[in-house]
Amino acid sequence: GAGVSQSPRYKVAKRGQDVALRCDPISGHVSLFWYQQALGQGPEFLTYFQNEAQLDKSGLPSDRFFAERPEGSVSTLKIQRTQQEDSAVYLCASSPPYKDYEQYFGPGTRLTVT
Amino acid sequence: GESVGLHLPTLSVQEGDNSIINCAYSNSASDYFIWYKQESGKGPQFIIDIRSNMDKRQGQRVTVLLNKTVKHLSLQIAATQPGDSAVYFCAETGHTGTASKLTFGTGTRLQVTL
Repeated sequence: GAGVSQSPRYKVAKRGQDVALRCDPISGHVSLFWYQQALGQGPEFLTYFQNEAQLDKSGLPSDRFFAERPEGSVSTLKIQRTQQEDSAVYLCASSPPYKDYEQYFGPGTRLTVT
Repeated sequence: GESVGLHLPTLSVQEGDNSIINCAYSNSASDYFIWYKQESGKGPQFIIDIRSNMDKRQGQRVTVLLNKTVKHLSLQIAATQPGDSAVYFCAETGHTGTASKLTFGTGTRLQVTL
């Protein structure tokens, strides 16, 4: 079946621009996660949704980062006034019911801020 | 595509040999430990998980060992193939209320030589 999809795959933004990154989770997966991966490092947790409820946003690095999942399916990660340090791969993952530890990742969106 | 893990520890293994990738974890209260494989330009791929009350779990060509005494996790890959070349990450979940958040280790690059 279809896996997690993310769009766009690549995004170049000028410093100060706003960006929106989209995630389509696997059908039937109620939990959705966003991670940030810097080059050469492991993914770092940003935020977590169960259906439409954002249950944990402790990893969001600043108030410029905002995530939503209004209908409990597709999610959008928005970064306002992008900075160079925001350059990274943004990964989305979803997990089956009652198995939040079994997370399936999308291909990621590589964001480059110039 | 872009490289994952430019300066990661590297393990070189000959095709057909067994590989052992090690990981030290920090949170003794984690419920689950998971291994992920990440190829260049792709998101992490779930390989296998082990619950904290187990010390060994086997999958197809892979075995995960958990030593809670020394907080050590290992992934054994039998009869390593060229397609196994990738960066491997261990990850741990939280406990109870934070169970859904994954914390990733630094990663190990596996290179399979012919």
